[in-house]
Amino acid sequence: AQKITQTQPGMFVQEKEAVTLDCTYDTSDQSYGLFWYKQPSSGEMIFLIYQGSYDEQNATEGRYSLNFQKARKSANLVISASQLGDSAMYFCAMREGSRQAGTALIFGKGTTLSVSS
Amino acid sequence: GAVVSQHPSRVICKSGTSVKIECRSLDFQATTMFWYRQFPKQSLMLMATSNEGSKATYEQGVEKDKFLINHASLTLSTLTVTSAHPEDSSFYICSAQTLAGGTYEQYFGPGTRLTVT
Repeated sequence: AQKITQTQPGMFVQEKEAVTLDCTYDTSDQSYGLFWYKQPSSGEMIFLIYQGSYDEQNATEGRYSLNFQKARKSANLVISASQLGDSAMYFCAMREGSRQAGTALIFGKGTTLSVSS
Repeated sequence: GAVVSQHPSRVICKSGTSVKIECRSLDFQATTMFWYRQFPKQSLMLMATSNEGSKATYEQGVEKDKFLINHASLTLSTLTVTSAHPEDSSFYICSAQTLAGGTYEQYFGPGTRLTVT
């Protein structure tokens, strides 16, 4: 069974609009971390935002926010005021165990976001 | 911030030859390095986890004799693709992990694009 599910292969949004990228996860661990990365065409992995399973508040980083719904096991990324430079592939990832555990990240299949003017 | 480099960034080799990819943590010591492979427009798939001074742990389905990983120091891990074939053509990304402030942080290299002709 997939541990990270991203059901949107592609998303299209106009500049300055907000967009939500979906992510659901599956784990039996009580302690885990959820990450979002941006991968432009150059291939580099750019860290966007992190949410720990015990964090009560939704994480925010500038225009990025993570809508964490623990009971539904979802961790959607919200990008506000989209910009042309946001066009890229976006990956949701999970690390099982606490942040003191040092295990590898497991990635979803990704969502390609296209922002138009 | 923490920087991870990979060399080479791109390599083209002939079928049957071996290729070595280096992953270096430039300004920190990495106790663990992870190697991922990514086919075009697909997810990052974890290949192996390597800890300095010990044998790498390979994920199911990854041939350890084909993908040789050496983690000889706290700043360098190498992935050697032996007897490469066209199906090994892919984007290879390393991630270096360090313990900072009581939590493990992972930093990605920029990736190496391998083309086997």
